[in-house]
Amino acid sequence: DTGVSQDPRHKITKRGQNVTFRCDPISEHNRLYWYRQTLGQGPEFLTYFQNEAQLEKSRLLSDRFSAERPKGSFSTLEIQRTEQGDSAMYLCASSFNSMNTEAFFGQGTRLTVV
Amino acid sequence: AQTVTQSQPEMSVQEAETVTLSCTYDTSESDYYLFWYKQPPSRQMILVIRQEAYKQQNATENRFSVNFQKAAKSFSLKISDSQLGDAAMYFCAYRAQGGSEKLVFGKGTKLTVNP
Repeated sequence: DTGVSQDPRHKITKRGQNVTFRCDPISEHNRLYWYRQTLGQGPEFLTYFQNEAQLEKSRLLSDRFSAERPKGSFSTLEIQRTEQGDSAMYLCASSFNSMNTEAFFGQGTRLTVV
Repeated sequence: AQTVTQSQPEMSVQEAETVTLSCTYDTSESDYYLFWYKQPPSRQMILVIRQEAYKQQNATENRFSVNFQKAAKSFSLKISDSQLGDAAMYFCAYRAQGGSEKLVFGKGTKLTVNP
């Protein structure tokens, strides 16, 4: 297992277009998180899955954002009608469902909306 | 809501010297976890060290140690014998116990190590 994998690493899109990112967590990790990191800021929580169930969403996750985790494996994060303010690094993390575990992060997808 | 504050946007240290990064947090919980994560340029975030709030003993991982002051809600990171590879963004993070266990991050401190 090579860790949390995210694809693509970079995405440039025109304002108004839809984009979709993929995250492959560490196998057997049943918790999966999406965070957004803008320049000069720490990551901010977007949403959380336990297996296939999306159990928590931040108010940062507007209705243009949707995330799925079919079959509790990989996850996708879609942004519809992108805006320049969506430009950020989108990070995925996964962990076991246990208190005493750490979250492992992917390298992120850097989105630039032009 | 929990908040994490890192008051040092940038720090620098000479190779082989010691540096301390500051972090304060705000919470009304009694059980929680605190973390320091390292994010090298264009590379993924990795865990440096963690501290369980119920443990009085400060965590240590090789050259990295923390000073955890629960009453003061302070959680600083000390890096001893700094190496060029320590240069990175360092994020302090808080995690409540239970629920989603999402991480709440500070804004980060950029550490430069001078040869």
